[in-house]
Amino acid sequence: KAGVTQTPRYLIKTRGQQVTLSCSPISGHRSVSWYQQTPGQGLQFLFEYFSETQRNKGNFPGRFSGRQFSNSRSEMNVSTLELGDSALYLCATSRGGTSETQYFGPGTRLLVL
Amino acid sequence: GENVEQHPSTLSVQEGDSAVIKCTYSDSASNYFPWYKQELGKGPQLIIDIRSNVGEKKDQRIAVTLNKTAKHFSLHITETQPEDSAVYFCAASRDSFQKLVFGTGTRLLVSP
Repeated sequence: KAGVTQTPRYLIKTRGQQVTLSCSPISGHRSVSWYQQTPGQGLQFLFEYFSETQRNKGNFPGRFSGRQFSNSRSEMNVSTLELGDSALYLCATSRGGTSETQYFGPGTRLLVL
Repeated sequence: GENVEQHPSTLSVQEGDSAVIKCTYSDSASNYFPWYKQELGKGPQLIIDIRSNVGEKKDQRIAVTLNKTAKHFSLHITETQPEDSAVYFCAASRDSFQKLVFGTGTRLLVSP
């Protein structure tokens, strides 16, 4: 069974640009959650999508957005990039039920210059 | 808001020793507590999890205990091996939510 895949693995952008990251879940998983990992703030929840609907949202500005497609693949977008957006962006997928185990992908490392 | 505290931040042990990592959560409605291991350059990997209707769970050398009254849970690794060296994260979530609130991580170093 294939694991969670994230593309691209590495990205370098400049301030003010926008970026789109992609996450393909494990087969049969309908929930995709996104997390930001930084040395200073640790692992922080961005949002979760289930059946193409955002079910839950963390405390991030509106520059961070996401969507989910009918095949459960998800994308997150960050507009007007800031230096502080440099981080490892992780997605985690699950079947979407109560307290389901979440499986993480390898992450996309974003560097904003 | 929700908060999970994790201690210690670093832990060095000799191969064969036991390692214990402790976490405390603030949201009394939390009922799912996973532990993840993260190696350099990789995403977190689930190693064990526990739900609030269970006080202890064991999987070979790894065990987790939960004290709901005190709102804390712990990871126990016995007979540690060098390949156990990694950063370990505890997390907590509430029923029906996929949002995990993570602790700050413990860097475990197992010396041969």
